[in-house]
Amino acid sequence: DIQMTQAPSSVSASVGDRVTISCRASQPIYTWLAWYQVKPGRAPKLLIYSASSLQSGVPSRFSGSGSETDFTLTISSLQPEDFATYYCQRGKYSSYSFGQGTRLEIK
Amino acid sequence: ELLVESGGDLVQPGRSLRLSCAASGFNFGDYAMSWVRQAPGRGLEWVGLIRSKAYGGTTKYAASVEGRFSISRDDSRSLAYLQMNSLKTEDTAVYYCAREYYSGDCHSCYYGLDVWGQGTTVTVSS
Repeated sequence: DIQMTQAPSSVSASVGDRVTISCRASQPIYTWLAWYQVKPGRAPKLLIYSASSLQSGVPSRFSGSGSETDFTLTISSLQPEDFATYYCQRGKYSSYSFGQGTRLEIK
Repeated sequence: ELLVESGGDLVQPGRSLRLSCAASGFNFGDYAMSWVRQAPGRGLEWVGLIRSKAYGGTTKYAASVEGRFSISRDDSRSLAYLQMNSLKTEDTAVYYCAREYYSGDCHSCYYGLDVWGQGTTVTVSS
């Protein structure tokens, strides 16, 4: 089974900072990758699909890049509402799987 | 566009439980449906999916639930189901259903899980 590994597992940052979260697949997965934001007690929210496409309604400070095994989620200028946990997920074929999550905390 | 899960409960290990996911506001039959869970203090875990009838209604499952859980759908009632048998304490989690627009026509496309329910809680304990 394909494993998804995120780094770092947690990061502290300040409002206005630029933050990058990495996700690595154990085998090539083309661009079959999505990113989600999860806040406590709330359902996950889709941010990015097909590795780099911004979901409708998501602020443009969020962006995704990468293909095959290495992917990145970037938040260009952190806002107070962005402090949450972020997950990558592989999809499209076979079994899907999530990364272990990256917790974004206020410095 | 709304998904509402129901059926979560406290059950003993080894017992069964069926969760439902009711869809409204979109053409349910056009979408694949996934189930995702989050155990207390843990990350998201994909449980399984069922594709639309256009793609054969194919089901896929995570290794951790294969053979114990099954997913079905009733397009006439806009419902998806997660049948959970032989429940274990480690199945304790909030269970979400989520929709996916799956297209076999676009090889490079994965549209993600774009609409989620609010979750229903399953507790497996004696």
